[in-house]
Amino acid sequence: QSALTQPASVSGSPGQSITISCSGTSSDIGGYNYVSWYQQHQGKAPKLIIYGVSNRPSGISDRFSGSKSGNTASLTISGLRAEDEADYYCSSYRSSNIHVFGTGTKVTGL
Amino acid sequence: QVELVQSGAEVKQPGASVKVSCKASEYTFSSYSLHWVRQAPGQGLEWMGIVNPSGGRTSYAQKFQGRVIITRDTSTNTVYMELSSLRYEDTAVYYCARGYDFWSGRMDVWGQGTTVTVSS
Repeated sequence: QSALTQPASVSGSPGQSITISCSGTSSDIGGYNYVSWYQQHQGKAPKLIIYGVSNRPSGISDRFSGSKSGNTASLTISGLRAEDEADYYCSSYRSSNIHVFGTGTKVTGL
Repeated sequence: QVELVQSGAEVKQPGASVKVSCKASEYTFSSYSLHWVRQAPGQGLEWMGIVNPSGGRTSYAQKFQGRVIITRDTSTNTVYMELSSLRYEDTAVYYCARGYDFWSGRMDVWGQGTTVTVSS
């Protein structure tokens, strides 16, 4: 079962907006509105930042936003800050009660 | 506060089995699913499986079918993940994560992680 496809790295200047893509198929991203995004800092457990494609859990900054078009989901970080430097993973429900993560994207500042 | 506390680090030989526990507190155990996710050194997150504590229903990633068993003990609010026939490539940090339900993948609370090292 193959992982969802993300760019290996994305970089941006402080204050800039960046977008991370997450490419899947009609059996996962395209077929369900069950896309989540996680932020992981080095040596820490992942943290949920987006669920249900575009919903933010309580306490998550509105600088983080999610969307979906067809088989591709996207995470946008607006007003990039130093603390946003981390690894980001998408995940999706896939048919037959299976879940799958993306390959992960490292966000770095310029 | 809502918390998942995992058991300590393990070192196992190839071919052995490991059983990792995840104890939930401060929420209704039967109302949320429980995922297991692993991360090999320097690698990404990998979904392994899920259990519905209410009825014990499970689902596993195809990659781990036949090697992984996820169980739960409702008397102690604890979920277990047992991985058998360990290989060197099973060396990883194993996380449990609370899921909103069986399908949404909304993993909102994570355990601290358990390091499993497979070494001869």
